Amino acid sequence: GAVVSQHPSWVICKSGTSVKIECRSLDFQATTMFWYRQFPKQSLMLMATSNEGSKATYEQGVEKDKFLINHASLTLSTLTVTSAHPEDSSFYICSARDGGRGQHPDTQYFGPGTRLTVL
Amino acid sequence: QKEVEQDPGPLSVPEGAIVSLNCTYSNSAFQYFMWYRQYSRKGPELLMYTYSSGNKEDGRFTAQVDKSSKYISLFIRDSQPSDSATYLCAMSAYNDMRFGAGTRLTVKP
Repeated sequence: GAVVSQHPSWVICKSGTSVKIECRSLDFQATTMFWYRQFPKQSLMLMATSNEGSKATYEQGVEKDKFLINHASLTLSTLTVTSAHPEDSSFYICSARDGGRGQHPDTQYFGPGTRLTVL
Repeated sequence: QKEVEQDPGPLSVPEGAIVSLNCTYSNSAFQYFMWYRQYSRKGPELLMYTYSSGNKEDGRFTAQVDKSSKYISLFIRDSQPSDSATYLCAMSAYNDMRFGAGTRLTVKP
């Protein structure tokens, strides 16, 4: 149980294009989802917290107009990287929090990640 | 000072060794402690969690929390090459979760 999927698993795009990444909780409802960015051999960097039906809360230094987050349902959140540039190339990981599974409500379940390469 | 400190390693051990991974923290409000394992190019997976001080065992893994010292540990007994991964500690208080930097572990056959 507690499975989170991401699509696509990898994407290569040209500079200036936009890329959408989907994050789905498959067997539970996620009122809160998180988006992280991870550079090689570095730790997770929280980009934003996404609550269903409301605007995402972005961490300091993360451009909200560049990284558009939509959490339209209890099982789906999307991250759109707009006008992508090579410096946006990274590993993007989402996680979902489900407080109704008997474990602590703060537990986050992670997706497998999406590797974005911008040429 | 970071809220959660974790030595990034890398840590290399021979197969069968006992591995000790550690994190320290500064926020005494943290009440829930987790360990995640992340294989290369994959998302982190929840390995163990604990609420209180003391030990929690699951197979070859033991999670230990010492709230008085603000120190948590993960022990891996009889380590296997398949344990080679990055291990991240995480802790939370009131919906606010913080992660350690992760320790890269390699278990050599």
